Amino acid sequence: QAVVTQEPSLTVSPGGTVTLTCGSSTGAVTSGHYPYWFQQKPGQAPRTLIYDTSNKHSWTPARFSGSLLGGKAALTLSGAQPEDEAEYYCLLSYSGARRWVFGGGTKLTVL
Amino acid sequence: QLQLQESGPGLVKPSETLSLTCTVSGGSISSSSYYWGWIRQPPGKGLEWIGSIYYSGSTYYNPSLKSRVTISVDTSKNQFSLKLSSVTAADTAVYYCARSSDFDYWGQGTLVTVSS
Repeated sequence: QAVVTQEPSLTVSPGGTVTLTCGSSTGAVTSGHYPYWFQQKPGQAPRTLIYDTSNKHSWTPARFSGSLLGGKAALTLSGAQPEDEAEYYCLLSYSGARRWVFGGGTKLTVL
Repeated sequence: QLQLQESGPGLVKPSETLSLTCTVSGGSISSSSYYWGWIRQPPGKGLEWIGSIYYSGSTYYNPSLKSRVTISVDTSKNQFSLKLSSVTAADTAVYYCARSSDFDYWGQGTLVTVSS
């Protein structure tokens, strides 16, 4: 089974910009992996921020954006806010969107 | 507004079968071509996709759990269910149900502890 890798932890200053990445053990991440990004705060269910690489839900703050970068999926936060401190998970599809693998998560600290 | 709610025992004995149900409200589970899925999260750890079911009944499972997992759908009750057999302490986790076509709607999660 594929392994999806994320940075274990990152720190960003309030108002700063940070990029989280999501890699696959099978090779480059492409749009065919339909990358998702989730935000999870303690005691809460995950909330989808980005789907299909770069698409946003109505509830996704404009400061979050998704892309492909250097063979990985990327989540960029521009203008970090204290409320953005959370765990972020990526999710990749394999076998034509029939099987999914989560990354290990990135703990983002806003400090 | 679509809502999902997990239900089932919070405590399961080792070697027994874990059974959970997800009740969907605010929409029909079979009204569109959606997938419905289960995801779990051990305490203090990351998320793991368990499997998904298409509204028609086709199922897709995590290969690492496939031998122990069964996901089914009951359109008459607007529910889908998870059964995980031969559980061990490693299966202790918060179990979430979600609409896994877009992972846009999630239940609040339910903690299942495997212990004698």
